[in-house]
Amino acid sequence: EVQLVESGGGLVQPGRSLRLSCTGSGFVFGDHSVSWVRQAPGKGLEWVGFIKSRPYGGTPDYAASVKGRLTISRDDSTSTAYLQVNSLKTEDTAVYYCARHTEKRFDSWGQGTLVTVSS
Amino acid sequence: EIVLTQSPGTLSLSPGERATLSCRASQSVSSTYLAWYQQKPGQAPRLLIYDAFNRATGIPDRFSGSRSGTDFTLTISGVEPEDFAVYYCQQYDSSPLWTFGQGTKVEIK
Repeated sequence: EVQLVESGGGLVQPGRSLRLSCTGSGFVFGDHSVSWVRQAPGKGLEWVGFIKSRPYGGTPDYAASVKGRLTISRDDSTSTAYLQVNSLKTEDTAVYYCARHTEKRFDSWGQGTLVTVSS
Repeated sequence: EIVLTQSPGTLSLSPGERATLSCRASQSVSSTYLAWYQQKPGQAPRLLIYDAFNRATGIPDRFSGSRSGTDFTLTISGVEPEDFAVYYCQQYDSSPLWTFGQGTKVEIK
């Protein structure tokens, strides 16, 4: 069974940093690109960035709205992708999901991890 | 930047009725890169339709996708109780790479 599990969320003060993890199982993690999508409370879905699979270069790309504050990386040896968010703002409060790509679609999602930015 | 506009915002239906959800793109979108997702409260989104027309694995055939120009439609031929949820369309383009519509909530009438 394909599964993605996010972790690392929690309460963090504005201006601090946080690193989220996304661990996959049930498939060859290294064969797939992985996206991060967030959802603010009561709001819609916002794509924030992704990292290509190693055969396609393993490089990340980001949405313009968060570029410069986000860093996405991956460690295929542990089937894990990471999202680091720096200089956190209250508007970064959201559930953060990771999603596996098959071609351009997101065919499997994790259950999400809640990040709350508050003093 | 391509903007996806979904309508209506909320669709109130009784079980068994037909649901028609619209997603309009602000400019041309390749069918290959248009997907629909379902999200129930407290759950992650789930892929329903990809490449505008194709059902994802395990999705019942009451769900179908279609296209007319820059207008994409998700149809549920007869809404079941488990179909009451929020539905999002999503497209892939050059920049930003992926965008979502704002969502349509299908609620029980």
